[in-house]
Amino acid sequence: GENVEQHPSTLSVQEGDSAVIKCTYSDSASNYFPWYKQELGKRPQLIIDIRSNVGEKKDQRIAVTLNKTAKHFSLHITETQPEDSAVYFCAASKAVANDYKLSFGAGTTVTVRA
Amino acid sequence: GAGVSQSPSNKVTEKGKDVELRCDPISGHTALYWYRQSLGQGLEFLIYFQGNSAPDKSGLPSDRFSAERTGGSVSTLTIQRTQQEDSAVYLCASSLRGRRDEKLFFGSGTQLSVL
Repeated sequence: GENVEQHPSTLSVQEGDSAVIKCTYSDSASNYFPWYKQELGKRPQLIIDIRSNVGEKKDQRIAVTLNKTAKHFSLHITETQPEDSAVYFCAASKAVANDYKLSFGAGTTVTVRA
Repeated sequence: GAGVSQSPSNKVTEKGKDVELRCDPISGHTALYWYRQSLGQGLEFLIYFQGNSAPDKSGLPSDRFSAERTGGSVSTLTIQRTQQEDSAVYLCASSLRGRRDEKLFFGSGTQLSVL
């Protein structure tokens, strides 16, 4: 099955600086890569996703890049704010019949220092 | 409903007891997922339902774990003879059709503590 590795496990940044989280995946057939954010004590929520026919996607201060050749994708948060403090999970899945489940990374705890 | 609802939010049980965790998905969502989140770990897939059917039960950790879904809606995850290693947050999620590129809507989870 798909194996998703996520680094770093923890990340502390100064408010206003950028944060980058990187994930690698094992299955070259994977073609959908979402990112979920889980604030302390709350449920995970989708913040951005990318499909394999796109190399980069942006939404305000967050962006995701995908390198299919190297089988890795990254989340970039610019101008970090305290509300960006959370656990971020990357995931991967592939378009195979009856293969519906996302494989999640172990998560990155991001702390934004004021 | 307004979102995915899970109950109880917290459950403390003694080793060896059985527990039932409930998930009420968003109305109209045909796909329902159970995940387990252990401390410092990612989201571990347990089981997936499309309607009332569970085409893939391979994620269930052992035969002590079972799940069912009735009426294409509410799902129950049952853990028999609980062990300390079962302690974790059990998250339920639903999606409209169960396509792999669909947004998952998660519940708040059930924090299970086995003493």
